Amino acid sequence: LAKTTQPISMDSYEGQEVNITCSHNNIATNDYITWYQQFPSQGPRFIIQGYKTKVTNEVASLFIPADRKSSTLSLPRVSLSDTAVYYCLVALYSSASKIIFGSGTRLSIRP
Amino acid sequence: EAGVTQFPSHSVIEKGQTVTLRCDPISGHDNLYWYRRVMGKEIKFLLHFVKESKQDESGMPNNRFLAERTGGTYSTLKVQPAELEDSGVYFCASSRGGLATNEKLFFGSGTQLSVL
Repeated sequence: LAKTTQPISMDSYEGQEVNITCSHNNIATNDYITWYQQFPSQGPRFIIQGYKTKVTNEVASLFIPADRKSSTLSLPRVSLSDTAVYYCLVALYSSASKIIFGSGTRLSIRP
Repeated sequence: EAGVTQFPSHSVIEKGQTVTLRCDPISGHDNLYWYRRVMGKEIKFLLHFVKESKQDESGMPNNRFLAERTGGTYSTLKVQPAELEDSGVYFCASSRGGLATNEKLFFGSGTQLSVL
């Protein structure tokens, strides 16, 4: 099962671009990379998903290099409301039991 | 569109008692999942329903936990008898298709269970 490694915490300031990198060295061919965001007292919320290269939506961008052993979540111009825990997940989406939530990255945005 | 709702949001019980958690998935979502995070640990998968059938219950910790989804709509997770180590946050999630289609999960806000 692919395990992910990401920084425990990060700090940034409003208006800055934040990049959170996740390592998944033993990612399998059919695994997708998904990022979730979690606010206190709430469940995780889907942000973005990708398989390779770059994916962009209205919330974030996801950069995945050719070897797919890492990925970077990019949050443009963060605000205080982006303070949350961000989880990088790698899973063969044939079974929910294959989804492994790591410890996540606690992102703190300051004024 | 209503999201995934869980009830209660908090539950405080004594060791040995029974607690039942409820999850209402998004309407039309055939797939329903239970996860939990115990103190200081990571979010762990418990089980997966497809409609009323248990697709995967490999994450259920022991036979004190019983999940049901009669009629393929809402689901309940019963813990009987509850032990101290069962304390944590129990999340429910749903998805329209199965995860093989790479669909995203929609999570509820969770039930904070405290066993004293």
